[in-house]
Amino acid sequence: GAGVSQSPSNKVTEKGKDVELRCDPISGHTALYWYRQSLGQGLEFLIYFQGNSAPDKSGLPSDRFSAERTGGSVSTLTIQRTQQEDSAVYLCASSLEGTGFLETQYFGPGTRLLVL
Amino acid sequence: GNSVTQMEGPVTLSEEAFLTINCTYTATGYPSLFWYVQYPGEGLQLLLKATKADDKGSNKGFEATYRKETTSFHLEKGSVQVSDSAVYFCALRANTGGFKTIFGAGTRLFVKA
Repeated sequence: GAGVSQSPSNKVTEKGKDVELRCDPISGHTALYWYRQSLGQGLEFLIYFQGNSAPDKSGLPSDRFSAERTGGSVSTLTIQRTQQEDSAVYLCASSLEGTGFLETQYFGPGTRLLVL
Repeated sequence: GNSVTQMEGPVTLSEEAFLTINCTYTATGYPSLFWYVQYPGEGLQLLLKATKADDKGSNKGFEATYRKETTSFHLEKGSVQVSDSAVYFCALRANTGGFKTIFGAGTRLFVKA
């Protein structure tokens, strides 16, 4: 079916506001990942879901960041009280099972977040 | 911890030139190694991968060989095209310590006609 989709594609917000970013993984993929790509930087791992649970949240930069996944499908990444340093492209990826280190991750087009 | 270091860009080449983008890694155990490509306006795509020492990954004329002795996975292409202009990311996924993929900072390639 379709690839990984993300919405919105672009989001401009004011400092201090909350934002929600959405990811629709490939149908049937049980593993879902969130990454952040800051200007001129590589991809920074944020969180990994296996089904609806998140066995690895080690990359979330602060308690302003949270993510959930319901029904083993759609995931939302929420950033509360946004700061200017949160400006980045937020990428979502999914893979079939997530338990094999050989697995290929399929990436969405990303959400470009700008905090003014 | 695990990490990936790749050459800084941008890299600017003329069409049909030879391309090398260096990538070295630090990891415990025996990681899998990947090159991803991000074309302008598109999402990341897997370009090639290698899962054990001396494996060679190849795709679309690109190649990279998993060198355990030098902890490297350099990307090469014999003759680049304008359509290869993109950002290239080297990455590793370790078989210990969780499931995250560690990415390098990316190298932007410009190919001139």
